Amino acid sequence: GAGVSQSPSNKVTEKGKDVELRCDPISGHTALYWYRQSLGQGLEFLIYFQGNSAPDKSGLPSDRFSAERTGGSVSTLTIQRTQQEDSAVYLCASSLEGGTSGSRYEQYFGPGTRLTVT
Amino acid sequence: DAKTTQPPSMDCAEGRAANLPCNHSTISGNEYVYWYRQIHSQGPQYIIHGLKNNETNEMASLIITEDRKSSTLILPHATLRDTAVYYCIVKRWGWNGNKLVFGAGTILRVKS
Repeated sequence: GAGVSQSPSNKVTEKGKDVELRCDPISGHTALYWYRQSLGQGLEFLIYFQGNSAPDKSGLPSDRFSAERTGGSVSTLTIQRTQQEDSAVYLCASSLEGGTSGSRYEQYFGPGTRLTVT
Repeated sequence: DAKTTQPPSMDCAEGRAANLPCNHSTISGNEYVYWYRQIHSQGPQYIIHGLKNNETNEMASLIITEDRKSSTLILPHATLRDTAVYYCIVKRWGWNGNKLVFGAGTILRVKS
């Protein structure tokens, strides 16, 4: 079946501009995650959605970053007034079930969006 | 979630088994061991997970010691396409959120 898709695959923007990154999770997956990976750095968690709500936003680096999820499906990560340090690959992942049920479903990652801020 | 320790890099000859170790000495009884890998310029890929018993799927085998303080991921016949960074993650779902915390992982280089 279709995996997690992300768009655009590459985005080049000027410093100070706003950008929107989109994630289409696997159909039926209730949990959705955003991570980012800066050049030479590890994977860093940003935000977690269960359905349309975000119980864990602890990884968002500043108030310039926000995300929403609608219809329990598509999610958009928005970065306002982009800075050069925002340049990274932004990865989205989904899993069948998160929450506190003790389930242990693996996360499936998309190919990522490479963001370059000039 | 328990901390994990992995060697920074390993080499393996093509066609041979690759055995990637992971130490997780502080693991608690309800924490699972997960393995992911990231091939260059791609998103991470789930490989396998386990709780107590050894597990096998089409990609790999996971051997967990009886005391659960360490585990080994086995790629039975490594190919050049298995060259990647391999991450061992210990996770208790629902605890401290459901996010995955990635360490530095092990860079596996499969050589012909």
